[in-house]
Amino acid sequence: DAGVIQSPRHEVTEMGQEVTLRCKPISGHNSLFWYRQTMMRGLELLIYFNNNVPIDDSGMPEDRFSAKMPNASFSTLKIQPSEPRDSAVYFCASSLRGIYEQYFGPGTRLTVT
Amino acid sequence: QQPVQSPQAVILREGEDAVINCSSSKALYSVHWYRQKHGEAPVFLMILLKGGEQKGHEKISASFNEKKQQSSLYLTASQLSYSGTYFCGTEYSGSARQLTFGSGTQLTVLP
Repeated sequence: DAGVIQSPRHEVTEMGQEVTLRCKPISGHNSLFWYRQTMMRGLELLIYFNNNVPIDDSGMPEDRFSAKMPNASFSTLKIQPSEPRDSAVYFCASSLRGIYEQYFGPGTRLTVT
Repeated sequence: QQPVQSPQAVILREGEDAVINCSSSKALYSVHWYRQKHGEAPVFLMILLKGGEQKGHEKISASFNEKKQQSSLYLTASQLSYSGTYFCGTEYSGSARQLTFGSGTQLTVLP
């Protein structure tokens, strides 16, 4: 079975541009998570969906960030407008049992210049 | 609210043992351990639920002391493949179901 799929794997953009990150969870998993990882702040949860419904978005930094999950097999994380401090690796993870045993995608390395 | 991991880094020789600790200032419901190799995604190792349960994964085991609000990960007879950064993720009692990850412990196993 394919694991969690994320695209793009690398994204370089200029400050002020819109960035959209994509995630396809493992088939059958009903929970999806977006994380951000930086050296300074470590691995931070941004938002958590269960059955396509956002359960906890308290980690979303500010209004520039938004996430959607229109169906069970696709989710997006959008940053508009992007800023240099958004540079990080963004991971999507999915699970069959809520927060338990999460399977992480390969990540998207975002660089905002 | 982030759990505290110690040590921050450890270097050992193949075959040696290591212990990684994870401490919380808040009551814990569960502790989750993940390993991340350089440039890769975190990989799930094990979950410990409150009750002092101990679990194992190959030669890696862990304990959870609910009263002390801490968990320890034990790596026995380390192999080169154990190198990576180990993260504990904590689920706090009475709070929304989410994991808060520690800053990680970088483990390097030398031949």
